[in-house]
Amino acid sequence: DTGVSQNPRHKITKRGQNVTFRCDPISEHNRLYWYRQTLGQGPEFLTYFQNEAQLEKSRLLSDRFSAERPKGSFSTLEIQRTEQGDSAMYLCASSHWDPGLAVEQYFGPGTRLTVT
Amino acid sequence: KQEVTQIPAALSVPEGENLVLNCSFTDSAIYNLQWFRQDPGKGLTSLLLIQSSQREQTSGRLNASLDKSSGRSTLYIAASQPGDSATYLCAVKADSWGKLQFGAGTQVVVTP
Repeated sequence: DTGVSQNPRHKITKRGQNVTFRCDPISEHNRLYWYRQTLGQGPEFLTYFQNEAQLEKSRLLSDRFSAERPKGSFSTLEIQRTEQGDSAMYLCASSHWDPGLAVEQYFGPGTRLTVT
Repeated sequence: KQEVTQIPAALSVPEGENLVLNCSFTDSAIYNLQWFRQDPGKGLTSLLLIQSSQREQTSGRLNASLDKSSGRSTLYIAASQPGDSATYLCAVKADSWGKLQFGAGTQVVVTP
């Protein structure tokens, strides 16, 4: 396992369509995070999972967004009825969480979404 | 509410000069701070992680310092090379539980 992988790497869609992205974390990592990054800005937190449980969701995650991690392994992020403002790089990260330990988050290459 | 700022937004230096990148945060109650590198159109590569109890962390030509009381971290890159050209982002973690909060990054260009 060489790192976090994300598919697709690029997605162009028309406004109003639904899109789904997939993230495969590093295999032994129990934490999985989704972030969104727009041009010239740092990533903004969207949501994260501990195994299959979704523990926190940002206010950025509107009702059109849903994320799952059904078996505590890969995760999907779906955006329904896409809007032009959803155009961004969607980044996934994973880490192994252990109480009291400071652990790094490892990021995937991202999925770049363009909504036309 | 925590705010993370990186100034300057962009920086250009000749090859061989030392790079000094700044990160400031408004709430000193952080769990750790992480420095990342991002190449254009790519994901983030973790460079260094500093725990809140540490003052600095080193890896090769990279050294990061942390002063929690003043809300500052500095990333030093010694003897810069053209391959160091990238955007450098810092991120703070408020607790052991979850999310990172990022600055907007400093875009670095090292000219040969």
